[in-house]
Amino acid sequence: AQSVTQLGSHVSVSEGALVLLRCNYSSSVPPYLFWYVQYPNQGLQLLLKYTTGATLVKGINGFEAEFKKSETSFHLTKPSAHMSDAAEYFCAVSGYNQGGKLIFGQGTELSVKP
Amino acid sequence: DSGVTQTPKHLITATGQRVTLRCSPRSGDLSVYWYQQSLDQGLQFLIQYYNGEERAKGNILERFSAQQFPDLHSELNLSSLELGDSALYFCASSTGQGGNQPQHFGDGTRLSIL
Repeated sequence: AQSVTQLGSHVSVSEGALVLLRCNYSSSVPPYLFWYVQYPNQGLQLLLKYTTGATLVKGINGFEAEFKKSETSFHLTKPSAHMSDAAEYFCAVSGYNQGGKLIFGQGTELSVKP
Repeated sequence: DSGVTQTPKHLITATGQRVTLRCSPRSGDLSVYWYQQSLDQGLQFLIQYYNGEERAKGNILERFSAQQFPDLHSELNLSSLELGDSALYFCASSTGQGGNQPQHFGDGTRLSIL
């Protein structure tokens, strides 16, 4: 079975500050990990993914995440927050030979203060 | 624009009724996924089709059914609707069928049951 836990349903940062959104996963098979962003009244947009290879992955809009197997974590970071980063962020996991179903965390709403 | 088209955007109906949600995947994508997003359950995987065949199934109710047609568009049918079925329903598509495939989401259909 697979599951995802996102620590903190709401995170608030100042513009220009570091963004850190936490994600821990549980998986009985090697995981594939994803971060998606959802803006109001829109669908989910893929930020980045880890499937195999380099454990530090870079995504769109300056975001990156590091897969740490020993910590079962895939935290999302951005060095400097921008007002346009305010949105809801979802971490998701899928697994090899389980079709393509994504198991999502509960989401973290990011607020950016001017 | 993700290239995934969902219709209608909004649907308002009454308990006991039946509705059909439609999804056109990105050009070239063979997999279609359906997800339900609600405040209490979060984002839940319902079902995946790959090239017309069911590939993976989640916690989809027996009152719900889906299919993927030869032109690869998909429909999600919801019957005997209950108040608790009110949610945002997303369709996503991907090129292949595996868990390592990034999924591209439509903007969703918001279903309101009165």
